[in-house]
Amino acid sequence: DTAVSQTPKYLVTQMGNDKSIKCEQNLGHDTMYWYKQDSKKFLKIMFSYNNKELIINETVPNRFSPKSPDKAHLNLHINSLELGDSAVYFCASSQTRENIQYFGAGTRLSVL
Amino acid sequence: GQQVMQIPQYQHVQEGEDFTTYCNSSTTLSNIQWYKQRPGGHPVFLIQLVKSGEVKKQKRLTFQFGEAKKNSSLHITATQTTDVGTYFCAGPDGTSYGKLTFGQGTILTVHP
Repeated sequence: DTAVSQTPKYLVTQMGNDKSIKCEQNLGHDTMYWYKQDSKKFLKIMFSYNNKELIINETVPNRFSPKSPDKAHLNLHINSLELGDSAVYFCASSQTRENIQYFGAGTRLSVL
Repeated sequence: GQQVMQIPQYQHVQEGEDFTTYCNSSTTLSNIQWYKQRPGGHPVFLIQLVKSGEVKKQKRLTFQFGEAKKNSSLHITATQTTDVGTYFCAGPDGTSYGKLTFGQGTILTVHP
């Protein structure tokens, strides 16, 4: 049973399109994150939610909009995709005060 | 803001050789974590160090946390091809709830 699951695993799309990535965790954690990993492997945090409340919102274009319907789910919607959005997007979760993070398998986004 | 620097960025070794990656933070850390990401995979938590001067071992891996709690190292003895991947250190931001600042990672290649 996968602890943190993301869908889709691969996403190939044209510039200008809108797409969503979904994430679910069954670890009972109360904090979830979105990271972007570029081609040089650098991991950059984008957003974090704690119990459905947005707590970290890094400098990210407002084309990116996270949504957390409940503490087990965190989705990421991207409007008007650009070439520079191509990357691997990881969802992660952690328990309050521990911050050891459990990552999903990643979504490999390619914008053509 | 907090910076976590990791060196080297790349390391190529022959199987059986030792490997070390170093991590330095611009601020004192409450703890430091290490993650491993296999090629095509996702970051997986390895260990957390909390105490000043702490040393922990996991089989051939030795992790150290500096006395000042601003630096850390991961040493692998007698590398094997299964050690291939990117090793990240990460430290709590201290200002944003649950936020980790990741080092740039060290990409390890092991030649058989």
